[in-house]
Amino acid sequence: DAGVIQSPRHEVTEMGQEVTLRCKPISGHNSLFWYRQTMMRGLELLIYFNNNVPIDDSGMPEDRFSAKMPNASFSTLKIQPSEPRDSAVYFCASSPPRVGRDNQPQHFGDGTRLSIL
Amino acid sequence: GENVEQHPSTLSVQEGDSAVIKCTYSDSASNYFPWYKQELGKGPQLIIDIRSNVGEKKDQRIAVTLNKTAKHFSLHITETQPEDSAVYFCATQGAGSYQLTFGKGTKLSVIP
Repeated sequence: DAGVIQSPRHEVTEMGQEVTLRCKPISGHNSLFWYRQTMMRGLELLIYFNNNVPIDDSGMPEDRFSAKMPNASFSTLKIQPSEPRDSAVYFCASSPPRVGRDNQPQHFGDGTRLSIL
Repeated sequence: GENVEQHPSTLSVQEGDSAVIKCTYSDSASNYFPWYKQELGKGPQLIIDIRSNVGEKKDQRIAVTLNKTAKHFSLHITETQPEDSAVYFCATQGAGSYQLTFGKGTKLSVIP
């Protein structure tokens, strides 16, 4: 089974440039999450989509960050303009529809390692 | 909000020995407890999870125990192998919530 697919795996760019990270969730999953991982702060939730609709973007650090989910099989996280402090590993995760009130596991992609010079 | 404490932060064991990682949480409403394994350069991979109506769950060499009264849960790995070396994260989630709260991780090293 194909897992969550993220691209690119690595991105190195200069500060001020626009960065776009991409994610394809697992087919049939209706929830999608973007996380950022750093040594200092661990895993932080940036934004959560349910049925392609952004539900909670309170973790998005600044207006420079934006995310879209135009359909059930694709999402983007964009940083414009990028800054060195945005350097981190960005993960996308997806989970299937809830069964009753039971939470469903989140499945992570292998991330995009972003370096802003 | 929920607070999850994970211990130890690093753990070294000899191949074949057991490894135990412990987590405590603060929110009594938490009812779902997954464990993730993260290898270098990879994303967190779900290895086992437990719900609050269960006290213990096993999957081959991996087991998780949950004590809801004491608000702690543990990951047990038996007969450790070098490929078990990774960073392990515990997490909690409340009923009907989408938010996972992660521990800070345990770096497990299995020495051949």
